[in-house]
Amino acid sequence: QLQLHESGPGLVKPSETLSLTCTVSGGSISGTNYYWAWIRQPPGKGLEWIGSIYYSGSDYYNPSLKSRVTISVDTSKNQFSLKLSAVTAADTAVYYCARTYYYDTSDGRSCFDLWGQGTTVTVSS
Amino acid sequence: IQMTQSPSSLSASVGDRVTITCRASQSISRYSNWYQQKPGKAPKLLIYGGTSLQSGVPSRFSGSGSGTNFTLTISSLQPEDFATYYCQETYSTPPTFGGGTKVEIK
Repeated sequence: QLQLHESGPGLVKPSETLSLTCTVSGGSISGTNYYWAWIRQPPGKGLEWIGSIYYSGSDYYNPSLKSRVTISVDTSKNQFSLKLSAVTAADTAVYYCARTYYYDTSDGRSCFDLWGQGTTVTVSS
Repeated sequence: IQMTQSPSSLSASVGDRVTITCRASQSISRYSNWYQQKPGKAPKLLIYGGTSLQSGVPSRFSGSGSGTNFTLTISSLQPEDFATYYCQETYSTPPTFGGGTKVEIK
C-alpha cells in the first residue's frame, strides 16, 4: 500500500524559505502515469495546488506562486521536495503532498488519488 | 478556471438524499473530480472523470455532469458522510478546487 508522508519545520520566519519533503513508501516514485504534487490549505479555507513534478524532473507550477516555488525529486530516496521562498503570513497553511494519477493519458485527465496526512506550517517571527 | 460550489453548507439527516453542485466558469468536458475531507484529515478522492467511482468508495456516492455543470449525489446519507466536499477541475493549469460544501447533521 503506497503511502506519502510530509516532513519539515512547522515554523518559518517571514522572508525565509519554507522547505518540506514528501517521502513515498510502499511503492516507487518512478511510475509512468504519475506526477507528484504539493497542495496547501490555509486555516479554515479551501485547497490550492502549488505545483507538480514527474520522476524525470519535469515540473509545472501554479502561476500565482511560480516565482517563489521550486519542486525537486530524488528517485534514489523516493522523495520529492518543496521550497517556497520569501514567505509571509499568507503562506501559513497545512501543506499536503499528493500523487497525481493520469487515468487517461490520451487527453491528460488526472486526479489526486493518494494524499499524505499533511503538515502544518506557520509563518511567524 | 473558477469552480463555484453550492450550497456552501447544508444540514441533513441520516438517510437523506444529498446533492451538491459545482459550476465551472468555462466548459471543462468531464475533467472534474470530487473529494471528501473530514476535520484534521487529508482530502479523499471519491469521484474522478465526472462519473467514475474511486476504488473502495461506497456506491451511495455518485457523480454526474459534463461541460460546466457537475453534481455529487449521496443517495442515503450515513453518519460517516458528515464532512466537507470539494469539486476540482483538471482541464487547465493550474488545476483548481471549488470552495467546498460542508455537510452537517440536522
